[in-house]
Amino acid sequence: SQQGEEDPQALSIQEGENATMNCSYKTSINNLQWYRQNSGRGLVHLILIRSNEREKHSGRLRVTLDTSKKSSSLLITASRAADTASYFCATDLYNQGGKLIFGQGTELSVKP
Amino acid sequence: KAGVTQTPRYLIKTRGQQVTLSCSPISGHRSVSWYQQTPGQGLQFLFEYFSETQRNKGNFPGRFSGRQFSNSRSEMNVSTLELGDSALYLCASNLAGNQETQYFGPGTRLLVL
Repeated sequence: SQQGEEDPQALSIQEGENATMNCSYKTSINNLQWYRQNSGRGLVHLILIRSNEREKHSGRLRVTLDTSKKSSSLLITASRAADTASYFCATDLYNQGGKLIFGQGTELSVKP
Repeated sequence: KAGVTQTPRYLIKTRGQQVTLSCSPISGHRSVSWYQQTPGQGLQFLFEYFSETQRNKGNFPGRFSGRQFSNSRSEMNVSTLELGDSALYLCASNLAGNQETQYFGPGTRLLVL
């Protein structure tokens, strides 16, 4: 089964609003990463947060990690129509090399 | 630097045939991973190669195989294709495969009829 579970599965907001996506996972991790995918194309890396970090920012993105609850959240502030995409969390497990375990993803629609 | 490239981008095959997909990683990257993406199962890890050796393998049947060449380019092969193998196959590369960002290619969309 998938390591990560994402919530919500779909999210529809207006431009300028904030979007929050949540991810839960099951086992201990090295790090957790967030990726974006537009219309079935390749994935684009957004941000990586290590297991010893609690919060990280990159531009309009803010990621939090709570290892005690095995959960993470991705906040996109001041969203734009161009942010419309699917967002996936992926966990990098101990001693698993380059293997990433992906969640099912959140489909974000930002309406102009 | 050029990104990860995958060929072909689209492919149509019939059941029972075999297919080979190719992935060229970013220059200097030695780890190449393959993923299958379907609407039902989502993104699933197939295998990872590092320095021409398979270092990790997902839960896929033996019909799925791969290899990596000395220049880090990788190929994956699927034999005896089934309808359920229709998917987007994504390749990703990074420097060494540990605790690092993965850089994904655009994918190969395979349709099995």
